[in-house]
Amino acid sequence: GIQVEQSPPDLILQEGANSTLRCNFSDSVNNLQWFHQNPWGQLINLFYIPSGTKQNGRLSATTVATERYSLLYISSSQTTDSGVYFCAVGRNQGGKLIFGQGTELSVKP
Amino acid sequence: DTGVSQNPRHKITKRGQNVTFRCDPISEHNRLYWYRQTLGQGPEFLTYFQNEAQLEKSRLLSDRFSAERPKGSFSTLEIQRTEQGDSAMYLCASSPQPGKSGELFFGEGSRLTVL
Repeated sequence: GIQVEQSPPDLILQEGANSTLRCNFSDSVNNLQWFHQNPWGQLINLFYIPSGTKQNGRLSATTVATERYSLLYISSSQTTDSGVYFCAVGRNQGGKLIFGQGTELSVKP
Repeated sequence: DTGVSQNPRHKITKRGQNVTFRCDPISEHNRLYWYRQTLGQGPEFLTYFQNEAQLEKSRLLSDRFSAERPKGSFSTLEIQRTEQGDSAMYLCASSPQPGKSGELFFGEGSRLTVL
């Protein structure tokens, strides 16, 4: 099956700093999503981005499908950005997603 | 749009008992997914439905697990003869019909503790 690797596993930032999270995957995919899991366990969909670049406020994401990686950028980080960020990929637009192990982000005031 | 709803949110049971979780997806979504998440890990796929049809089941889903979506609306996940290794967060998600975005929307999860 498809392997998904996320880096770094942990990240500690001072409020206001920028960061880049990376997701590498081992095979061609037609579905790639980034999620944020808050401290209460809720998974929030940030981006559906099988290719290209998208931006939503302070967050943006880029997927280079031909090179099998995706990047999530967080600018001007806030304490509410803390939590675990997951990348998930799938072969089809629908169907199952394979999740990475996540990047745990802690933003200090 | 009330989002994906799961209940119960928490369940504590003794080993050997049966438990059932319910998921109500976003109303216009015809795909429904079940995932399981243990501490420190990413969610693992269990099964998914398109309308009432169960299209794929993971090998993680042993014979003790059964999922249904009888009328293509809500779904139930039953675990029979629970074991301590079943302790986890059970997550339900829904997505729009094929051809539209494959974006997944998750519920808040049902946390199972097996004593």
